[in-house]
Amino acid sequence: SSELTQDPAVSVALGQTVRITCQGDSLRNYYANWYQQKPGQAPVLVIYGKKNRPSGIPDRFSGSSSGNTASLTITGAQAEDEADYYCSSRDSSDNHHWVFGGGTKLTVL
Amino acid sequence: QVHLQQWGAGLLKPSETLSLTCAVYGGAFSDYYWTWIRQPPGKGLEWIGKVNHSGSTNYNPSLKSRVTISVDTSRNQFSLKLTSVTAADTAVYYCAREGGPYYYDSGGYYGFDYWGQGTLVTVSS
Repeated sequence: SSELTQDPAVSVALGQTVRITCQGDSLRNYYANWYQQKPGQAPVLVIYGKKNRPSGIPDRFSGSSSGNTASLTITGAQAEDEADYYCSSRDSSDNHHWVFGGGTKLTVL
Repeated sequence: QVHLQQWGAGLLKPSETLSLTCAVYGGAFSDYYWTWIRQPPGKGLEWIGKVNHSGSTNYNPSLKSRVTISVDTSRNQFSLKLTSVTAADTAVYYCAREGGPYYYDSGGYYGFDYWGQGTLVTVSS
């Protein structure tokens, strides 16, 4: 099955911009999606289809993708953005299956 | 608005069968794939498998020999069974909706757009 690779941890100063990346061959053919997970809560979809925000997600969250790398950018990070972030995509070895990245813990300083 | 409510046994002994059910409220149940995802304590997310209203399934190859996902369209519910559990199966199990109609291959465009609250399943002797 495919693999998606994320940095385990990233930090950002309050109000600054941070980029979280996800790398994997499946991203060349399938869309990246991003989820935010706070402690004790279910994940929440924050970006779908590489760059689209579901209703209710602040516009400081944005997504992009190029080649085998997808990125989630938070512009003007807030304290409430401190969370784990996961990327996902279809599995290039079987497109009915899904894979997740290992997750990135974002700390807002 | 779509809401997923899940339930099932939270404490199992090794070799027992895990059984969870997820009820879907709102939305068109028959248009989507319905999914199970798990998360071991302190670790990342793992896709387990999915089912649509006609019972068509796909499973993670690493779990395929032990997993069955079924659907009850009369109640808008779907269920997960995982046999021969071990401590390695201890995790929070989530049900979720795979966004986008199942009959159109969107290449994963919509992601998992609605999630259940999660159920912690602990396997311990």
